[in-house]
Amino acid sequence: QSVLTQPPSVSEAPSQRVTISCSGSRSNIGDNVVNWYQQFPGKAPKLVIYFDNLLPSGVSDRFSGSKSGNSASLAISGLQSEDEADYYCAAWDDSLNGPVFGGGTKLTVL
Amino acid sequence: QVQLHQWGAGLLKPSETLSLTCVVYNGSLSGYYWSWIRQTPGKGLEWIGDFNHSGDTDYNPSFKSRATISVDTSKNQFSLKLRSVTAADTAVYYCARGPEPDSLWGQGTLVTVSS
Repeated sequence: QSVLTQPPSVSEAPSQRVTISCSGSRSNIGDNVVNWYQQFPGKAPKLVIYFDNLLPSGVSDRFSGSKSGNSASLAISGLQSEDEADYYCAAWDDSLNGPVFGGGTKLTVL
Repeated sequence: QVQLHQWGAGLLKPSETLSLTCVVYNGSLSGYYWSWIRQTPGKGLEWIGDFNHSGDTDYNPSFKSRATISVDTSKNQFSLKLRSVTAADTAVYYCARGPEPDSLWGQGTLVTVSS
C-alpha cells in the first residue's frame, strides 16, 4: 500500500554487494530527489543516502545510490552483518505536496 | 549534539485525541522543517504533516481534517494532536527534522488505540 514499491526482502552473503530497488512515478521519484533510510528493530530510521546519491557525514562509503527515470536503487558493497536492517526509500511527491515512502526492504546478510 | 525527544500517551480509546510533543535539545527550531511521521505494519511510513521555519503548516490530506501541528518556540518544542482516533491509528509515531541531509528523528512513541 506504500506509494513507492520496494522488494520485501533481499539477502546476500558477507563481503558481497546487494542492491535494493525503489519504483515510483514521475510525481515523486521522476521529478524529485530520493533519500534512503536504514532502520534497526525498535529504532528510528537513519538517513544513509540523500539527494539520490550523496552520503551523509559518518555513513560508510560502502553505501551508494542511483536513480534513473522513475526508479532508484540503493547499493551496499562489502556486506557486513551490521548492515542487516530494514531499508526505506523516500521522495517528495508533487501530488501529495509531501514525502512518500517505500514499504521497506529487509536485508539479510547470510 | 542535537536530539529530539518525544512523549505522549501510549494507550487511547477510540474517539479520543492523540497528543504527542517533541522537544529539540541542543538546537533550534529555526531554519528547518519539522514533521510528524507514523509507521504501521500495514501501511509502512506515512507523513502526517509538518511546519517550516516560516510557521507554515502542511498536512497529508488523509489526516488534514483530524490533525493539528502546533509550535511553542519558547520551549523549543512542537506538538501533534490527532482527533477521533480509531484502531487504524495504532502506530509508532515519530517527530523528525528536515530537510536532508539534516534529517534527524525522535525515538518514536508507540500509540495503541483499543477499547
